[in-house]
Amino acid sequence: DVKVTQSSRYLVKRTGEKVFLECVQDMDHENMFWYRQDPGLGLRLIYFSYDVKMKEKGDIPEGYSVSREKKERFSLILESASTNQTSMYLCASSSPYNEQFFGPGTRLTVL
Amino acid sequence: AQKVTQAQTEISVVEKEDVTLDCVYETRDTTYYLFWYKQPPSGELVFLIRRNSFDEQNEISGRYSWNFQKSTSSFNFTITASQVVDSAVYFCALRLIQGAQKLVFGQGTRLTINP
Repeated sequence: DVKVTQSSRYLVKRTGEKVFLECVQDMDHENMFWYRQDPGLGLRLIYFSYDVKMKEKGDIPEGYSVSREKKERFSLILESASTNQTSMYLCASSSPYNEQFFGPGTRLTVL
Repeated sequence: AQKVTQAQTEISVVEKEDVTLDCVYETRDTTYYLFWYKQPPSGELVFLIRRNSFDEQNEISGRYSWNFQKSTSSFNFTITASQVVDSAVYFCALRLIQGAQKLVFGQGTRLTINP
């Protein structure tokens, strides 16, 4: 089975902190994605990556950056966390042109 | 730009009832995929189905069926004889076949099946 894991299920941070969300997949997928999920808005794409060291902005990249140093790992970075970044963050991976497989999500609260 | 609309925010039915979740999409492209995902309380999105724009055949998988109609830009999902375990948030999504492989999601429909 495809497995996508995320470093934390729940995270509480303070405004201004630097936050790292880690995602690891074990299926050798080329593509990896970071979404945030908010009530009434569905999932919105933050960043995605087609290959190691490659990244592309999604629909809402402001306030976020990403890092992909290894094929299996895709990190989302909040440089200076703000309260409006309180959300559920979901990571996904896929092979080209196939369905995406999702991790369990990280519920981030910024106080 | 692509857009997916799930007009039903929440649906609540009694167990064994049939229920249909609506999905309407917008795209100018002629080649695309449509998806349904299920998000149970555990939070992880579970892939249910993918259809491509060339194939309008309806699909049935056990109690689940999907009705794809290009004429109305709809991809509706029906659960027959619903069960409590079907309670979840369901998302419809679209992705173009060419170009960027990002999914565009609808807002989701929260389905509650009451015993």
